[in-house]
Order: sequence, then C-alpha cells, then structure tokens
Amino acid sequence: GDSVTQMEGPVTLSEEAFLTINCTYTATGYPSLFWYVQYPGEGLQLLLKATKADDKGSNKGFEATYRKETTSFHLEKGSVQVSDSAVYFCALSLTNAGGTSYGKLTFGQGTILTVHP
Amino acid sequence: GAGVSQTPSNKVTEKGKYVELRCDPISGHTALYWYRQSLGQGPEFLIYFQGTGAADDSGLPNDRFFAVRPEGSVSTLKIQRTERGDSAVYLCASSPSNSRVDNEQFFGPGTRLTVL
Repeated sequence: GDSVTQMEGPVTLSEEAFLTINCTYTATGYPSLFWYVQYPGEGLQLLLKATKADDKGSNKGFEATYRKETTSFHLEKGSVQVSDSAVYFCALSLTNAGGTSYGKLTFGQGTILTVHP
Repeated sequence: GAGVSQTPSNKVTEKGKYVELRCDPISGHTALYWYRQSLGQGPEFLIYFQGTGAADDSGLPNDRFFAVRPEGSVSTLKIQRTERGDSAVYLCASSPSNSRVDNEQFFGPGTRLTVL
C-alpha cells in the first residue's frame, strides 16, 4: 500500500544550523507531496507542497523538491530559528491521471525538531 | 475567519461507553476528513465526506466507528463500546473540495479521547 517514511527523530539543532529531514514514499498512481507542521499547542498546518516530479515547494525559508527517481521529498532549511521548533510531517495524497485528488492524506510518523538558542 | 473547530477538546470515558466527537468545518468547505493520531505517530485516515456522503470510509477500523454529516457541514464521529485502544487524538480537517490536486486540508485542534 501507499506509505511515507520519515527519518527518525528527534532532531536537535542550534540556531542558524542547516536542517534536513528526510522523507521517502511508496505510492501507486500520481502522488502529490506535502509537508505539514505542528507547532506546540497548535493544530497541523500546511508548510509546503509539490504536485509533480521536479517541482520545488517553498515557504518560510523551507524547501523540498519532489524527486520521482528517488521517491523522496526531503525538507531543508538553510538557517533554523528557535521558532521553527515543532513536529514536521511528510504526507502524500493520491490523484488520478486527470489530477483529481482521491482526498485522503497518508502521513509519515513525524519528526520532532528542537532548536536551541 | 473561523477555522475548523472540534468539541470537546478532551473526553475521558470508561471502557464500553459510547462517545460522540463533533467537527465544525470552515464555512463553505465541501470536503471533510477525520483522522486518528496515536502518541508518537502521524495521523491515520479514517473517513472522508464530500458533501453529505461518505466518499471513502476505508480507514474506519471496525463497525464500532461511524460518522455522519447530515447537512453537509457539521460532522459527528461516533464510537460505540469504546476500548482502551481507541485512546488517541481525533483530528478533523476540511478543504474547499477534492477536485484540485493540491487542495490544502485545514485541520482542527483535535479531540483527545482517553478510554479508561
């Protein structure tokens, strides 16, 4: 079945360090890929997305590139801040050949990021 | 504007009891999703509504779980004969529709269910 695997955490970094959180997927059909973030005490929020191979999603200094050849969607940020401390979830949604979504998201297990001053 | 709201925020019940969890989606959103998140895990899909009908209920774990959305807005997730393994955070999300491939799902804060 369809699945998402994230690097095991937690990840602890100092402020201004470089961040990579690995994400790989297994899917039939045409997946769209997402990163969601959950800040302490808040609900899940969409961070960025990519809908086809070689697309790059970006937001708030975070980037991820949809790599079909390696079935990956790794999240990166060049210089993390304390305010980036949160849980990050990689997810996929399947679509049919016409681009219509089947609806549900399949999530990875989440990666806890803690950034120290 | 108002986001997705869920009530109650916390629910503690005893094994064998019946519970209802409510979700108010963003006004005008036709698609509504329920997920279950166990501690240390990502959310797992339960059921998806497009309007009033359940378009995909393949994630419901067994027949003790049921969800309705009678008027195409508010949804209720119902769990009969609760078991300790049902303890989790139940998340609701809504989106404008399912037709766009990159539709964002907007999540509520969740209901934390504890079955004693």
